[in-house]
Amino acid sequence: LAKTTQPISMDSYEGQEVNITCSHNNIATNDYITWYQQFPSQGPRFIIQGYKTKVTNEVASLFIPADRKSSTLSLPRVSLSDTAVYYCLVGDRNTDKLIFGTGTRLQVFP
Amino acid sequence: EAQVTQNPRYLITVTGKKLTVTCSQNMNHEYMSWYRQDPGLGLRQIYYSMNVEVTDKGDVPEGYKVSRKEKRNFPLILESPSPNQTSLYFCASSSGLAGGTDTQYFGPGTRLTVL
Repeated sequence: LAKTTQPISMDSYEGQEVNITCSHNNIATNDYITWYQQFPSQGPRFIIQGYKTKVTNEVASLFIPADRKSSTLSLPRVSLSDTAVYYCLVGDRNTDKLIFGTGTRLQVFP
Repeated sequence: EAQVTQNPRYLITVTGKKLTVTCSQNMNHEYMSWYRQDPGLGLRQIYYSMNVEVTDKGDVPEGYKVSRKEKRNFPLILESPSPNQTSLYFCASSSGLAGGTDTQYFGPGTRLTVL
């Protein structure tokens, strides 16, 4: 089964750029790598997804190296409202099952 | 409004008493899935469905059943709940174009306590 690893927690200050990396081996070759944000007592919310190289939308960038064994979510100029848990989501190469990362709790300070 | 709804939002029950958590989506999505979330264990997939009448086991299917008789509904059934099924449950749906790794829309969650 695909295995994912993320840092348990990260601290930052408002206005800084935050990069969160997810390591994932044995992932499906044709599936997206997707990142979600979750606030307490709410369901995860989609942030960004990509297949390879770099993807950018209005809230984040996603960097995926050619071997797709990791991905890095980049949040530019974080604010207090970005305090949340961030998860990567990948598909397993052999079983097609979806595997969420362990989650990174981001705390943004004033 | 595009959404995934779950009912009930909160449920306290006793061991062995069958229960059903309903999930419905109004986005005409092919793919639907159930997850449970536990402290320290993150989100784990229970069952998923790629289309009507097609369901598959996720990472932790033991003790659960699902059905997909209609595209919009994907109920989660606990035939004989046990205390280790106390958890926060999320239903999600997506277009299914990328095997579930495309954008999933999550419901608000159901907090289940089994005494």
